[in-house]
Amino acid sequence: GAVVSQHPSWVICKSGTSVKIECRSLDFQATTMFWYRQFPKQSLMLMATSNEGSKATYEQGVEKDKFLINHASLTLSTLTVTSAHPEDSSFYICSARSGTGGFGDYGYTFGSGTRLTVV
Amino acid sequence: KQEVTQIPAALSVPEGENLVLNCSFTDSAIYNLQWFRQDPGKGLTSLLLIQSSQREQTSGRLNASLDKSSGRSTLYIAASQPGDSATYLCAVSLGRLTFGEGTQLTVNP
Repeated sequence: GAVVSQHPSWVICKSGTSVKIECRSLDFQATTMFWYRQFPKQSLMLMATSNEGSKATYEQGVEKDKFLINHASLTLSTLTVTSAHPEDSSFYICSARSGTGGFGDYGYTFGSGTRLTVV
Repeated sequence: KQEVTQIPAALSVPEGENLVLNCSFTDSAIYNLQWFRQDPGKGLTSLLLIQSSQREQTSGRLNASLDKSSGRSTLYIAASQPGDSATYLCAVSLGRLTFGEGTQLTVNP
């Protein structure tokens, strides 16, 4: 089945530094990837939709200059948290749409998530 | 705006019980519905995908049904095991996923 690899699984960084998270589709091409943020005991909040070769589409309230998304190839999307602050500490998860055919056939495969702690 | 609701929010059952998790959504114009499992501190694992034209899908001890007209889906877990303990999320797709808040399931040995 479709596999999405996300790295790192956890990272601790100092306040003011930047952190890059990678999301790779291992056995399929993903023209569209999604980045989510999850707070403890809450569901996933969509941050942005990443399209290969074009600018990402950010959800309302998400700072695009803080959360830089690059989708340079059909198998790789990256999320960079710039000038990180403690309030950016969270669990970040990526996903990619997989499958062929019409939209009804598309499922979503998720990465294993990245726990970011900003100290 | 699509809204997805899951009931119950939490469920604790003894091992071996059959159980049902419920999911409802407000807009029936969906491409498909997907059930996921999330273990603490982990990503999401896809359990079942039901296309909008389908009524149900089965995988092992899991069976998911979809009634698009009424905006409901159920996930049936047969003969529950402690390893089934996790948070179960349903999500509906219309080009992007909209998630419910999840049901936290605990199966006690």
